[in-house]
Amino acid sequence: NAGVTQTPKFRVLKTGQSMTLLCAQDMNHEYMYWYRQDPGMGLRLIHYSVGEGTTAKGEVPDGYNVSRLKKQNFLLGLESAAPSQTSVYFCASSIPGQGSSPLHFGNGTRLTVT
Amino acid sequence: GDSVTQMEGPVTLSEEAFLTINCTYTATGYPSLFWYVQYPGEGLQLLLKATKADDKGSNKGFEATYRKETTSFHLEKGSVQVSDSAVYFCALSGGATNKLIFGTGTLLAVQP
Repeated sequence: NAGVTQTPKFRVLKTGQSMTLLCAQDMNHEYMYWYRQDPGMGLRLIHYSVGEGTTAKGEVPDGYNVSRLKKQNFLLGLESAAPSQTSVYFCASSIPGQGSSPLHFGNGTRLTVT
Repeated sequence: GDSVTQMEGPVTLSEEAFLTINCTYTATGYPSLFWYVQYPGEGLQLLLKATKADDKGSNKGFEATYRKETTSFHLEKGSVQVSDSAVYFCALSGGATNKLIFGTGTLLAVQP
């Protein structure tokens, strides 16, 4: 009964380093999303995917890349981390539903870039 | 573009008080509306939703009614508990991809 699992839970990077955040869901959901949460700004969509092998840009995609090679996994990459990318990152998944299907969220990854 | 505005927090209430958190939206078309709750150190959980005008979503004593005429989806609860302390997010979804647009969140603190 895992739902959406994010790894790692915490990470500290130096400016310019790279890393990959992993999201895995066991609900056979078609759609997956990456959001970032910053104080006073709510959650903003970085990238999303509507199926295996597909990705699309969200509201704040710059500085991030994603891949969806398997239906259950959605990877978020930072090629050259910047302090502005210090945030809490949430992955989510959903079934198709014309806007009415709720998203299921993981517990987040807290990233600090120094 | 589409957007969600919700009341600034924090909101501090005593146990058993009445809760209202205001949420208004701007959207083209007919979005679905959601309230999510985030407990400390956790991800967001769906609290309730409404998919068309005049629908009322309800869960765990919380309610919200989709008001198209006032473009609002205010969250209410008649008697809050300490365990309701969390951050509450209003959100809308207007397209086939279920992408959510969130408000900034409202921190609720309930004191015993």
